[in-house]
Amino acid sequence: EVQVVESGGGLVQPGGSLRLSCAASGFTFTRYWMTWVRQAPGKGLEWVANINQDGNERYYVDSVRGRFTISRDNAKNSVYLQMNSLRVEDTAVYYCARDKSGGAIRFDPWGQGTLVSVSS
Amino acid sequence: QSVLTQPPSVSAAPGQKVTISCSGSSSNIGSDYVSWYQQLPGTAPKLLIYDNNKRPSGIPDRFSGSKSGTSATLGITGLQTGDEADYYCGTWDTSLSAGVFGGGTKLTVL
Repeated sequence: EVQVVESGGGLVQPGGSLRLSCAASGFTFTRYWMTWVRQAPGKGLEWVANINQDGNERYYVDSVRGRFTISRDNAKNSVYLQMNSLRVEDTAVYYCARDKSGGAIRFDPWGQGTLVSVSS
Repeated sequence: QSVLTQPPSVSAAPGQKVTISCSGSSSNIGSDYVSWYQQLPGTAPKLLIYDNNKRPSGIPDRFSGSKSGTSATLGITGLQTGDEADYYCGTWDTSLSAGVFGGGTKLTVL
């Protein structure tokens, strides 16, 4: 079964850091880009970042660039999101998703999500 | 304010057809493929349509997608109460060098 499973969410104070992990299984991890998408409570989806197959190409939404870093470990079939200088507005469920192997972006499958709460 | 524009809500009766629009610009929909996602209440999103009009395996042909210029449309026929969900369009924006989504459309099956 093709799946991705996120972990690492939790409650953190503004200005703090958190590292999310996403473990992939059931497919050849090295063939795919990977993506993080977030959803604030009661709001829509917001694309956060993605990374290419060998990790040397990364893109970020403006609101997290310079604070968040996406990375991957192909030996562990895992992708990560290091989140620093967290703000209250970063509070959201963070989803990991398999992205494209080539061509246009498409997110499939999605994980169940991990909740990040930024509050004092 | 989302880069892609969707109507906040649509509704139709069971068995009927509904369309959901997604409007963008030359730097996103106008220059790349569109995908559509269904998010049932309390669950993670699921891919419905990719590359404008292709369905992943397991997605019934009641769901269809199309694109023209800088707009895309999701169509759902034979509406069922189980189709009640939020629907999102997404694509890549070449000016932003980032993925973008629409604000989402809540479908109510009356």
